Amino acid sequence: DTAVSQTPKYLVTQMGNDKSIKCEQNLGHDTMYWYKQDSKKFLKIMFSYNNKELIINETVPNRFSPKSPDKAHLNLHINSLELGDSAVYFCASSPFSGGSSYNEQFFGPGTRLTVL
Amino acid sequence: AQSVTQLGSHVSVSEGALVLLRCNYSSSVPPYLFWYVQYPNQGLQLLLKYTSAATLVKGINGFEAEFKKSETSFHLTKPSAHMSDAAEYFCAVSARAGRRALTFGSGTRLQVQP
Repeated sequence: DTAVSQTPKYLVTQMGNDKSIKCEQNLGHDTMYWYKQDSKKFLKIMFSYNNKELIINETVPNRFSPKSPDKAHLNLHINSLELGDSAVYFCASSPFSGGSSYNEQFFGPGTRLTVL
Repeated sequence: AQSVTQLGSHVSVSEGALVLLRCNYSSSVPPYLFWYVQYPNQGLQLLLKYTSAATLVKGINGFEAEFKKSETSFHLTKPSAHMSDAAEYFCAVSARAGRRALTFGSGTRLQVQP
């Protein structure tokens, strides 16, 4: 009955490789997010999708490409991995984005990416 | 654009003592405000949220926070710390309309001494 799940939980890879992280939510939410938490625990938004449409794209290198095949899934593909990409990546979802009503974000357990 | 500042990257209290974690926000209009907790090697869990109803918000695990517009603050408190409260705490803000991503503070690590 996991609400927001991510796979894998841990990912260790070499510099220059390409890797993907998957996220799935079973809450029926319309909006999904990717956040990055760096080694100093600082959390920052990377992307957001609403009903498969990209609505937030922060200043992230274009080696990062999110893909949303349907509104329950938001995957993150990273090309040509660099040492600085090592971080914990969190997926989150919320009921909707836009309008004036509050919506709570539910977070996945995170994926710890280590680039060697 | 919104931002939050958490004062104190580390806070240490004795078990049973008052917990006070500070958060100040910056926003041109009243935002939504949140406190999340992160236990070691885990994801983020919502403790409580302010969405414009009561200014004193009660959350889970005995935590509460008070929204003070005049001080642009949303400090988190708990009357009596428990060992299990040791974790990283994040204050976050989001806009009330439009872009809804959370902007997080830098976090405060709470240590609880026996």
